[in-house]
Amino acid sequence: NAGVTQTPKFQVLKTGQSMTLQCAQDMNHNSMYWYRQDPGMGLRLIYYSASEGTTDKGEVPNGYNVSRLNKREFSLRLESAAPSQTSVYFCASLDTGGHTEAFFGQGTRLTVV
Amino acid sequence: RKEVEQDPGPFNVPEGATVAFNCTYSNSASQSFFWYRQDCRKEPKLLMSVYSSGNEDGRFTAQLNRASQYISLLIRDSKLSDSATYLCVVDSNYQLIWGAGTKLIIKP
Repeated sequence: NAGVTQTPKFQVLKTGQSMTLQCAQDMNHNSMYWYRQDPGMGLRLIYYSASEGTTDKGEVPNGYNVSRLNKREFSLRLESAAPSQTSVYFCASLDTGGHTEAFFGQGTRLTVV
Repeated sequence: RKEVEQDPGPFNVPEGATVAFNCTYSNSASQSFFWYRQDCRKEPKLLMSVYSSGNEDGRFTAQLNRASQYISLLIRDSKLSDSATYLCVVDSNYQLIWGAGTKLIIKP
């Protein structure tokens, strides 16, 4: 049972390049989330998907897009990377909204130069 | 005011001591509360949920004070392996709101 699988683990981009972070969960969870974590700021929600076919903006959505491809997969896309997007990105999934344990991927360390 | 606030620390504590930290939240309608542990450069993992009556899991005790809108985490007989960042999490309108974390360093 893999839980939440997130790829890649590390990435360096040049300003203006695009990339997609992949996330898949095998726990049949309805809700999936993308967070970024910066030093001293905790986890900030970028986008979330409460169920297959729906996505909603979180606290810091600018510069990102998401796709809930199916119940298992939720991808995060940076269309034109900026240095301000240098961060650690975590994907998470929940069985129901906010009342059970959140399971996380191992994180993606992204540097934009 | 942030929705969830924690003292960032670090708390430097000798091994075997008892340490406690609090977390305040602003949404009085919040129903679910959690403590997560995050090791350096790793993903957060659930430490314990926090129930209205308070709950204990081995050396860890969590308390909820709805009137003052805070939750607390008490660690007794601290171990070197308890060194980590502890994240307070509160649900708000079916989203999880995360505190910035409290860093705990246990010294031998």
